Amino acid sequence: GEDVEQSLFLSVREGDSSVINCTYTDSSSTYLYWYKQEPGAGLQLLTYIFSNMDMKQDQRLTVLLNKKDKHLSLRIADTQTGDSAIYFCAERRSQGNLIFGKGTKLSVKP
Amino acid sequence: GAGVSQSPSNKVTEKGKDVELRCDPISGHTALYWYRQSLGQGLEFLIYFQGNSAPDKSGLPSDRFSAERTGGSVSTLTIQRTQQEDSAVYLCASSRGGLAQTYEQYFGPGTRLTVT
Repeated sequence: GEDVEQSLFLSVREGDSSVINCTYTDSSSTYLYWYKQEPGAGLQLLTYIFSNMDMKQDQRLTVLLNKKDKHLSLRIADTQTGDSAIYFCAERRSQGNLIFGKGTKLSVKP
Repeated sequence: GAGVSQSPSNKVTEKGKDVELRCDPISGHTALYWYRQSLGQGLEFLIYFQGNSAPDKSGLPSDRFSAERTGGSVSTLTIQRTQQEDSAVYLCASSRGGLAQTYEQYFGPGTRLTVT
């Protein structure tokens, strides 16, 4: 299909790890992104990965890319209540625009 | 430094009226994008400007939508004869382009458009 797919909801306990999964569509996409959107706020770029990498780590965030399966994941270690938000996966098309998934709402329970 | 700014933050308009939404990209960013976010459709790409090149309008949903970018900086998105289905948050993003191209797109806070 033409859509970037994500599960809509994820609930975790504070201190646990969260894993948000995404499948994208265009095998020629060169960059893949994770954005965070808190209630009433704009889109915050969290991290991105180039398609020739299979992993990128940035503090509590780990991005894994399986290019063969067109699967991207974001792992948040030691999840905190402040991590509660909607997380969007996006792929960059050759024209430069981003195609977004519908977003995964992460709820962190104390 | 200053991020992407958009104005107005909220706009309520009557069906059939025209609206203009403004975006100020990050200084030095030559690439500018418009997206919209609505409950039913998620985040959709609308239009893309890169420097002085002709814009990529492939995401515009109808000919009621148009955008321009003056002097390679500020952009205005115009919606003519607004319809209720145009109600959404309109987001602008910018990134470095051309020879200094990077791949981070930074978003503004958006303009929430409500058509009554």
